[in-house]
Amino acid sequence: DIEVTQSPSSLSASVGDRVTITCRASQRISTFLNWYQQKPGKAPKLLIYGASSLLSGVPARFSGSGSGTEFTLTISSLQPDDFATYHCQQSFSTPYTFGQGTKLEIK
Amino acid sequence: HVQLQESGPGLVRPSGTLSLTCAVSGGSISDSNWWTWVRQPPGKGLEWIGEIYHSGTTSYNPSLSSRLTISLDESLKHFSLKLTSVTAADTAVYYCVKTSGVPAAVLGDFWGQGALVTVSS
Repeated sequence: DIEVTQSPSSLSASVGDRVTITCRASQRISTFLNWYQQKPGKAPKLLIYGASSLLSGVPARFSGSGSGTEFTLTISSLQPDDFATYHCQQSFSTPYTFGQGTKLEIK
Repeated sequence: HVQLQESGPGLVRPSGTLSLTCAVSGGSISDSNWWTWVRQPPGKGLEWIGEIYHSGTTSYNPSLSSRLTISLDESLKHFSLKLTSVTAADTAVYYCVKTSGVPAAVLGDFWGQGALVTVSS
């Protein structure tokens, strides 16, 4: 299985801050990396697929980058609605493993 | 757009069989998508369980494959999960997901709301 290591596991930030979350894959996965946002008691929602493609309707303050083994999710200016848990997932080969999640909290 | 809804017992006895169904609406279950199950133990991360294509081809997580069956019924527009010999470690929220393939990406673009299954006597 491909292992996906996500960091940090938690992050405190303020509205307006720029934040970056990182995922590292245990082997090269090209750009087969997705990012999801999950709020308490809700299903994950897809934000970014193919490492950098923003799903239609997702605010442009979200961006993704990377290829190979290193990937980042950046939120350029945090909004109150962005405080949630973020998950990355590799979709290069099954089982499509997830990172451990990053809980983004209000400072 | 596609809507997914999980259903099934919320409580399963240890050593029993966990069975869930995902109803698909707003789209065809016969389209070129994979129909996927993902679970999340309370307070923990997401685990990919497995998936099925409309042709019946399946792909399972090796950690669960000896206990797992995923099936699909096109006429009833649903797909199902069966997990045998369950233990408390199988307690989780189970999500059904539509997985799509596009150039250079495979993505879970529609998710059910999730169904909590507790394994307990």
